[in-house]
Amino acid sequence: ETVMTQSPVTLSVSPGERATLSCRASQSVGSSLAWYQQKPGQTPRLLVYRASTRATGIPARFSGSGSGTEFTLTVSSLQSEDFAVYYCQQYDKWPLTFGGGTKVEIK
Amino acid sequence: EVQLVESGGGLVQPGGSLRLSCVASGFTFHNTWMGWVRQSPGRGLEWVAHIKWDGSEEFYVDSVKGRFTISRDNAKNSLYLQMNTLRAEDTAFYYCGKPVDNYATPFDYWGQGNLVTVSS
Repeated sequence: ETVMTQSPVTLSVSPGERATLSCRASQSVGSSLAWYQQKPGQTPRLLVYRASTRATGIPARFSGSGSGTEFTLTVSSLQSEDFAVYYCQQYDKWPLTFGGGTKVEIK
Repeated sequence: EVQLVESGGGLVQPGGSLRLSCVASGFTFHNTWMGWVRQSPGRGLEWVAHIKWDGSEEFYVDSVKGRFTISRDNAKNSLYLQMNTLRAEDTAFYYCGKPVDNYATPFDYWGQGNLVTVSS
C-alpha cells in the first residue's frame, strides 16, 4: 500500500498570505496525485489532478507541483473561503490512498 | 448537470447488512468507472471500492474485502454497495463518486453522502 503523508497537520495563515502544503508518497506515484478541499459539512471538492492540472472552475491561485514522491499544493493568496482541510490522494496503484489532511486555519 | 443521489444509509447492528444506492445522471454512466469513498465522522477520507464501466472488474480496500460488494446496473444508471458483516469501524459517511478522467482518477463529482452507523 502507498502511504501518503501530509505536512503540516495544521497551517496557520493570514488572509492574503501564501500557503504551501506538502504531500509525500511512500513510493513513486508518478504524476497520479490529486488535491481536494473540504469544508465542514461539505463533500470534498477536487482542486488539482495529475499533480498540476486544475479541475474545472478552480481559481488560478491554486497550483499543484511535483512528481514521484514529493508534491506541493500552493495557494498564492489565501481568501476567506480557502480556510478548510486539504487532502492529497494517489491513484497510481491500488488501493487508492489519501493523506491524513492539512487544516488551513486563520492566523 | 452531473448529479449523484445516494440512499440507503442508517443504523445497523454489528454483524448486520446494508445496501447503499447511488443514482447517476448528467453523464454517460455506462461508459464510466465508478467508486465509493468513506469518511468516519471527524476523520479523514478512505477509498472503499471501484468498479469498471461494464462491471467486469472490481477493486476493494483490504479492510472490506469479502464483506462488501460493489455492483452496478447500467440500465438504471445506478451504483450499489452491499455491505455485510458490518463492524463498528465501518461507521462513516459513504460517498459515491464519478472519476474526472475515468478509471481510477479522482472524483470530480460526489454524492451527498450517506451516514452508516454500526452500533448495538
